[in-house]
Order: sequence, then structure tokens, then C-alpha cells
Amino acid sequence: GENVEQHPSTLSVQEGDSAVIKCTYSDSASNYFPWYKQELGKGPQLIIDIRSNVGEKKDQRIAVTLNKTAKHFSLHITETQPEDSAVYFCAASDPGTYKYIFGTGTRLKVLA
Amino acid sequence: GAGVSQSPSNKVTEKGKDVELRCDPISGHTALYWYRQSLGQGLEFLIYFQGNSAPDKSGLPSDRFSAERTGGSVSTLTIQRTQQEDSAVYLCASSPWVDPSGANVLTFGAGSRLTVL
Repeated sequence: GENVEQHPSTLSVQEGDSAVIKCTYSDSASNYFPWYKQELGKGPQLIIDIRSNVGEKKDQRIAVTLNKTAKHFSLHITETQPEDSAVYFCAASDPGTYKYIFGTGTRLKVLA
Repeated sequence: GAGVSQSPSNKVTEKGKDVELRCDPISGHTALYWYRQSLGQGLEFLIYFQGNSAPDKSGLPSDRFSAERTGGSVSTLTIQRTQQEDSAVYLCASSPWVDPSGANVLTFGAGSRLTVL
């Protein structure tokens, strides 16, 4: 089955700087890669996603890139703000099933 | 409802007791998922429902765990004879439909935090 690894586990950046979180997956047949943001005491919320037929997708300050050959995808947050502080999870679709395999999460702290 | 609702938000129980966790998905969402989030871990898949059927129960950790969904809406996750290692946040998510391509957008509830003493 699919396996997803996520790095780093924690990340601290100064406000205004960029943050990058990286994930790798094992099954080349995976075709959907969502990113979720989880704030304290809340459930994860989808912030951006990408399908395997696209190499990059951008939504304002957030972008995701996908390298199918290397089987890795990354979340990029530019001009970080304190409200970006949260735990971010990457995920990959598990081929042949309707479930998603999640990474172990990255705790992002944006320092004012 | 406006979002996915889970209850209770917090549950403290003694080892060996049974617990029930409830999930109210977004109205009209046909797919429902249960995940478990342990401290410092990612989200671990437990079970998935399409309507009232559970085609994938592969993630249930043991036969102490069971889940059902009635009327294509509310789902209950039951843990019998709880153990300390069952302590975690149990998250429920729903999706409007099952996309054959696998690109289902999940909306998560806030979770039920279970503590087994």
C-alpha cells in the first residue's frame, strides 16, 4: 500500500519569510495529493490540492508542486503571517481504494 | 448541517469500559471516513463508508473496534473494552460523493478526544 513521509516535523520561520514542507510517496499510481491545515482544537481543513496530471498549482500565497518522477510533492507558503502557524499534513490517494494516506505532519511556527 | 459534527468532544473513560463516538456528516454527503490521530502521529485510516456500506474496514486496529452508519447519515464508532493505547483523537470526515479518480475532498469534524485511564 501507499506510504507517505513528511519533513520537517517542525519548522520555524520569521514573519514574511517563506516556508516549504516536503512529502514523498511510494506508489507511483497515486493521483491526488491534498494538503490540510490543522489549527489547535480543530479538525484538518483542506487548503490546496493537486492532481497527478498537473505539475504546479497556486492559490494566493500558497502553492504546491508535484514531481511524479521523483514521487515527491511540496507545499510552499510565501510571505508567511502569524495566522499561518498550525500543523500541516500532506496526503496521497491510495490507488485502488477511496482512502488517503497522511504524512505525520509539520508544525509550522511563524515568529512575529 | 453546516459542517461535520462530532460528539463527545472529550471523553475520559476507565480501561475496560466501552465507548461510543458519534459523527454527523454534512447533509447529503454520501462518503464518510473515520481516522485516528495519536499524539505526534499522522492521521491513521480506520474505516470508510459509502452510504451505509463499509467497503473498506482494513484500518480497524482490532475486533474491539466497530462502526456503523444508518440512514446514510449518522455514524457511530464503538470501542469495546478500551485500552490505554486507544487514547487518541478520533476524526470523522465526509465527502459529497465518491470520485472514481480518487480526488475526494474531505471535510473533517473537530474530533473526539478519547482518554483511557
